[in-house]
Amino acid sequence: EIVLTQSPGTLSLSPGESATLSCRASQTVDTRYFAWYQQKPGQAPRLLIYDVSSRASGIPDRFSGSGSGTDFTLTINRLEPEDFAVYYCQQSVTFGQGTTVEIK
Amino acid sequence: EVQLVESGGGLVQPGGSLRLSCVASGFPFSGFWMNWVRQAPGKGLEWVANIKEDGSVKNYGESVKGRFTVSRDNAKKSVYLQMRSLRAEDTALYYCARNRGFEALDYWGQGNLVTVSS
Repeated sequence: EIVLTQSPGTLSLSPGESATLSCRASQTVDTRYFAWYQQKPGQAPRLLIYDVSSRASGIPDRFSGSGSGTDFTLTINRLEPEDFAVYYCQQSVTFGQGTTVEIK
Repeated sequence: EVQLVESGGGLVQPGGSLRLSCVASGFPFSGFWMNWVRQAPGKGLEWVANIKEDGSVKNYGESVKGRFTVSRDNAKKSVYLQMRSLRAEDTALYYCARNRGFEALDYWGQGNLVTVSS
């Protein structure tokens, strides 16, 4: 069973700054099944990135994904106020524990 | 517009049963795998089950295997989650979600709260 470990647990940043979120898998994964989600309080998760680096429909280009093997990164450039949320990585049927991006 | 509307949640005693429903609209339902994902209060996401387009393949998370059953009715554009032998740890918000492929879940319902408590 693959375990996904996200870091950091919480990221405190100001609007306009960039965020780098990490997700490490316990073993090499099939990258076709790798995705990132955003979840805001009281809302369902929203698919941001699939297949490591493909943006889902309607996702702004300030969101980008990269990685291979066991290490993956979600980068958010120039944080907007609406970007402060919890972010989850996913590999197939396994989710990471989440990273909270909060306003500093 | 793609919509997924869930129903059937509520309060149930430990050991009890509950059936969740999710009605889809706005897309060719029979052409997509469908998934159930849950989220315990204040916790992260946990994959529960998925079902193939024609219902011929079903997969379950270890924590629900043998107790939960996923099914679908393509004529009614609906997917279901039958939950039995419910435990306190099954208390969560249950989401149905469309699987665009390779488990990427691109549309989600609003979530349906299931509370298991005496």
